[in-house]
Order: sequence, then structure tokens, then C-alpha cells
Amino acid sequence: DTAVSQTPKYLVTQMGNDKSIKCEQNLGHDTMYWYKQDSKKFLKIMFSYNNKELIINETVPNRFSPKSPDKAHLNLHINSLELGDSAVYFCASSRQPYGYTFGSGTRLTVV
Amino acid sequence: AQSVTQLDSQVPVFEEAPVELRCNYSSSVSVYLFWYVQYPNQGLQLLLKYLSGSTLVKGINGFEAEFNKSQTSFHLRKPSVHISDTAEYFCAVSLSGGSNYKLTFGKGTLLTVNP
Repeated sequence: DTAVSQTPKYLVTQMGNDKSIKCEQNLGHDTMYWYKQDSKKFLKIMFSYNNKELIINETVPNRFSPKSPDKAHLNLHINSLELGDSAVYFCASSRQPYGYTFGSGTRLTVV
Repeated sequence: AQSVTQLDSQVPVFEEAPVELRCNYSSSVSVYLFWYVQYPNQGLQLLLKYLSGSTLVKGINGFEAEFNKSQTSFHLRKPSVHISDTAEYFCAVSLSGGSNYKLTFGKGTLLTVNP
């Protein structure tokens, strides 16, 4: 059983479209995250939810909106996609302080 | 705020040679330290972590790291590498205690093991 699963794995879309990425964890962790990995492999946190409450919201355009319907799910919706949004987006979950468990990533390509 | 510096962006080595990947961190408070590995087109996998106690930490796949508080370092080592160790390695830090669960990553070190 996959611990942290993301869908879709690949997403190719045109500029201006709206898209969503879904994430689910079956580890019973309280905290979930979205990270963005750019073309140089740099990982930067975007959002974090703890028990459905937003606790970290880094400097991210408000075109990005996370939603956590329950503590096992954290989705990411992106409006009006831009070329610069192309990246790999990773979902992760954790039970502090034991480190994160990452999903396998969603490669988003905006054309 | 905490930060992480990985001193080498690329480290090429020959198979069966030892390797050290360097990591330094900056923080005004106590931290937890982690090393993750990312194989091509995959997610990140936890190699090892330092939370407290013994400063020498052993992880998976024969890797180990040593926490040095005075030098604010957490270098990763393996005595003999394999071709399959070729991957991107990330050092990461989070603040110990409190409700800030943010993990801050270094920029990564690409380890390439050549035959």
C-alpha cells in the first residue's frame, strides 16, 4: 500500500487553465505539506496543514489554493496557470519529529 | 530562520570508493537534521535523521552521518559506494519543539558513482 499517493503523476496543460493535484496519506499523520521542486531540483515549501488547519503559507501566488477536507487528504488547486508554474510538486506528511514521508510527485508542464 | 548549505553541488566518485557529502546548517535554536535521497524521477526517501542523543547516526543503505554542533555540520558518509547510489542527496533541517513543522532543504548534491 502506498503511504503518500498523489494524482496525477504527470500533468500537461495550457497557460490560463485551472488544474488540481490530489494527495492522500494512509499513515495516520497529522500534518501534510506541499513542496515545489524547480528545474534546478530546489525544494521549497508552499503550504502545511495540521489537522485540517493551515499552519504554513509561504509566499505563494494566491492562484494556488490548498484544501484539506480531512487530515488524510490535502489537495492543491491552481488557477490561471503560467509557464513559471512548471515544476514537480510533492506532497508529504509527517508526525513530528520523525521527518517527512513524500509522495512520488506530480510533474506539471505548462505550455 | 534556519538555513542549510550543501557545499558541493556535484560529487563524482568511483565504485567502491568512500564518499562524504557535506552539509552545514544555520539556526539560533536547537534543530533536527535529516538526509534524504532522490533517485531519478522519484520522490524523496529518508536516509537518516538526528533528533538527539548519539551524534553518529546510522541510516539505510550503509550511510551514516555525524552531527557536530560546534561546527554546525551534519556530513553524510559511506565507506564504499555502489553504482546504485547514484542519486541526488538533500540535507534538511527543522526546528526542534514548537509548532513549526517546516523542513528547510539544502540545494542538493548530485552523487555520481562511476564504474
